[in-house]
Amino acid sequence: QLQLHETGPGLVKPSETLSLTCNVSGGSININNYFWGWVRQPPGKGLEWIGNIYYSGSTYYNPSLKSRLTISLDTPKNQFSLKLTSVTASDSGVYYCTRYMGSSGGDDCWGQGTLVTVSS
Amino acid sequence: DIQMTQSPSSLSASVGDRVSITCRASETVGTYLNWYQQKAGKAPKLLISAGSSLQGGVPSRFSGSGSGTDFTLTISSLQPEDFATYYCQQSYSSRRTFGQGTKVEIK
Repeated sequence: QLQLHETGPGLVKPSETLSLTCNVSGGSININNYFWGWVRQPPGKGLEWIGNIYYSGSTYYNPSLKSRLTISLDTPKNQFSLKLTSVTASDSGVYYCTRYMGSSGGDDCWGQGTLVTVSS
Repeated sequence: DIQMTQSPSSLSASVGDRVSITCRASETVGTYLNWYQQKAGKAPKLLISAGSSLQGGVPSRFSGSGSGTDFTLTISSLQPEDFATYYCQQSYSSRRTFGQGTKVEIK
């Protein structure tokens, strides 16, 4: 059974870079028709789509984050990553990695989420 | 970007009630509309994809309907484990967007 697990620092200083990794187990990320992505949730608020990457490496980003965001695949390690530069307190929240099938499928597999706090 | 608006933002209901949540898109999304359930402290769970396709293991009391810009999630008989927050999401555009959520509380 596919499992996703986010790892990364729980505390990041303002203006620095947030780096998170999603480790995928129980299946390969290098499979045709699968997309891998990130969703975040500020404390007490709703879900925000961050971006996705296709198994081929094509990326799709939230326009509001695009200038600061990079999502990449590491196929040999079976993981994918998020880097968000110049973070501020508004980037704090729980970050989830997800998987969906087909360009229009729903996110049918989620990691447990990791809490990131941006603070000095 | 496509904006998704859910209503109501919250509702109070009793066990056994029929509950409906609506989701409106700012432009057509065809049937590319997904519904998620999120319980406190947990990751969201996909309930329905493509407007009305129930995911495996999801109770049949959940149903989805609609196309174009207007969609509805219905719970036919609310159960104690259904108290949660529900989100719609459009997957018509490669730049996906979520509704703001509807919190279903115990009356």
